[in-house]
Amino acid sequence: EVQLVESGGDLVQPGGSLRLSCAASGFTFSTCWMGWVRQAPGKGLEWVANIKQDGSDKNYVDSVKGRFTISRDNANNALYLQMNSLRADDTAVYYCARALWNNGWFVHFWGQGTLVTVSS
Amino acid sequence: EIAMTQSPATLSVSPGERVTLSCRASQSISNNLAWYQHKPGQPPRLLIHGASTRVIGMPARFSGSGSGTEFTLTISSLQSEDLGFYYCQQYNIWPGTFGQGTKVEIK
Repeated sequence: EVQLVESGGDLVQPGGSLRLSCAASGFTFSTCWMGWVRQAPGKGLEWVANIKQDGSDKNYVDSVKGRFTISRDNANNALYLQMNSLRADDTAVYYCARALWNNGWFVHFWGQGTLVTVSS
Repeated sequence: EIAMTQSPATLSVSPGERVTLSCRASQSISNNLAWYQHKPGQPPRLLIHGASTRVIGMPARFSGSGSGTEFTLTISSLQSEDLGFYYCQQYNIWPGTFGQGTKVEIK
């Protein structure tokens, strides 16, 4: 059974940092594009970042470029999102995503999500 | 960035009725479109990709159509467990943008 379990969500002050983790199981992690998708309260979904199987290629949405870093550890089936210089508009549920590429990336499987709240 | 517009925002439907959800892209995306179902308290799940390819295991009552800028998700006979939000997402250009969603309510 495919499982993606996020952790690391918390309340953090503006300008602070947070690291999200995603533990993957039930599939061959090292063969899959992975990513993070977020949903702000009352808003729609937004791709945040994705990363190639070997970590050699990464894509970010413009609003997080230079502040967020996606990474992975294939030996431990783990995905990470380092978030720095957090802003109030980063408040959202962050979903770990197993992505599929077919002319572009869509989400084949979603984790349960972890809540990040940026507030003073 | 490609804008995705879904309509209607909310749909209230009786079980057994046919449901049609619309999604429009601000520019042509060929057939690079996915549909997701998001039930309360659960993560979203993929229903359809390639505009019309249903994911294995998804009920046959769900079908997708369209290409270019106009797309449709149809539920042929609504079941009570189908309540929730439905989102379309274009993946023709990064970042793959989502529509704001259609909320399907059961009458």
